[in-house]
Amino acid sequence: SAVISQKPSRDICQRGTSLTIQCQVDSQVTMMFWYRQQPGQSLTLIATANQGSEATYESGFVIDKFPISRPNLTFSTLTVSNMSPEDSSIYLCSVVSGQGAREVKQFFGPGTRLTVL
Amino acid sequence: AQSVTQLGSHVSVSEGALVLLRCNYSSSVPPYLFWYVQYPNQGLQLLLKYTSAATLVKGINGFEAEFKKSETSFHLTKPSAHMSDAAEYFCAVNVRGSQGNLIFGKGTKLSVKP
Repeated sequence: SAVISQKPSRDICQRGTSLTIQCQVDSQVTMMFWYRQQPGQSLTLIATANQGSEATYESGFVIDKFPISRPNLTFSTLTVSNMSPEDSSIYLCSVVSGQGAREVKQFFGPGTRLTVL
Repeated sequence: AQSVTQLGSHVSVSEGALVLLRCNYSSSVPPYLFWYVQYPNQGLQLLLKYTSAATLVKGINGFEAEFKKSETSFHLTKPSAHMSDAAEYFCAVNVRGSQGNLIFGKGTKLSVKP
């Protein structure tokens, strides 16, 4: 299994500012993912972050708004830039571990609850 | 394209009663299906997953789910609810071989009354 921690756990930010969310995993993983859960909505994948390469963004998400770093196999950051109230969400870090379709498991961090005023 | 629909954003049962949380999926290819649970102030935790082996999948904490292709369903059940089962439950689907790109339902919040 993988244990994931996120910092901060929650924050209240002003419009126009940026917030960087940190994700730390207790083991080395190849693939890390960032999800967003807007109020009353399901989780939506923002991007996939592999160490040593640029993050791959899903439709509707761009690097300028959500820059991601992945400096090593246990750590990643997601920045929410130039925030607006529409960015108020829970942001979750996730990793996949295990080999083979039946063994692979996906783990999620506790989330960062962001409120933008 | 894949999608997941969870019927009922909030389900309330009495302790000891049957728990049934509904999930229907849409997928153009055979899917992998998952149920996750999120306890208050905690991260998502995998309950169980279907990967084309047995259609009845047993998970942790006494939960199980049955994959029914004819009904495109993957409902989650537990014979007897416990107070500790109160949480939010998410059904998810992804394309076989596509790690990480889970598509989630909107979640069902389960309340358990004493």
